[in-house]
Amino acid sequence: EVQLVESGGGLVQPGGSLRLSCAASGFTVNSNYMSWVRQLPGKGLEWVSVIYTAGSTYYADSVKGRFTISRDNSKNTVYLQMNSLRPEDTALYYCAGVDSSGWYCFDYWGQGTLVTVSS
Amino acid sequence: EIVLTQSPGTLSLSPGERATLSCRASQSISSTYLAWYQQKPGQAPRLLIYGASTRATGIPDRFSGSGSGTDFTLTISRLEPEDFAVYYCQQYGSSPPYTFGQGTKLEIK
Repeated sequence: EVQLVESGGGLVQPGGSLRLSCAASGFTVNSNYMSWVRQLPGKGLEWVSVIYTAGSTYYADSVKGRFTISRDNSKNTVYLQMNSLRPEDTALYYCAGVDSSGWYCFDYWGQGTLVTVSS
Repeated sequence: EIVLTQSPGTLSLSPGERATLSCRASQSISSTYLAWYQQKPGQAPRLLIYGASTRATGIPDRFSGSGSGTDFTLTISRLEPEDFAVYYCQQYGSSPPYTFGQGTKLEIK
């Protein structure tokens, strides 16, 4: 059974940093595409970032230059380093596995970790 | 950037009725890259449909997807109480690579 477990969320002041983690089981992160998707309070879903098996990374314009996605194959974990945080980054952050067989849909999801950016 | 517009914003129906949810793209997209998700309160989204019309593993056959080009539809043939939720469409494209519609809330009438 595939499980994705996020951690690292919390309360941070504007301009601060956080690192989110997504620990995978039943699933190998370096053999799959992995992504972060966020949901602002009471709002819809917003794609944030993706890392492909070859290591290439992509970001939403809203986080480009501030967020960095990476993975540690030995720990089977994906990370999202978030710097220069803004109040508008406040959201529930989901880790998601992206189908890599050609459909490019999000077929596995974690339960999310809440990030609150406030002074 | 491709924008996905879902309609209606809220759909009020009764159990047993048929639900039709729309997702319109701002430009033509490949049906291969169109997916639908269901999200219930306090839960993560769940993949329902990928490739515009293929049900994900374990999804009941009352859920069906159709469409091509710019117009896609999610149909729930006979609503069960557990189907009342928010539904999102999602596409894979070029830049940005992934976008979601704003969602349709399916509520009990």
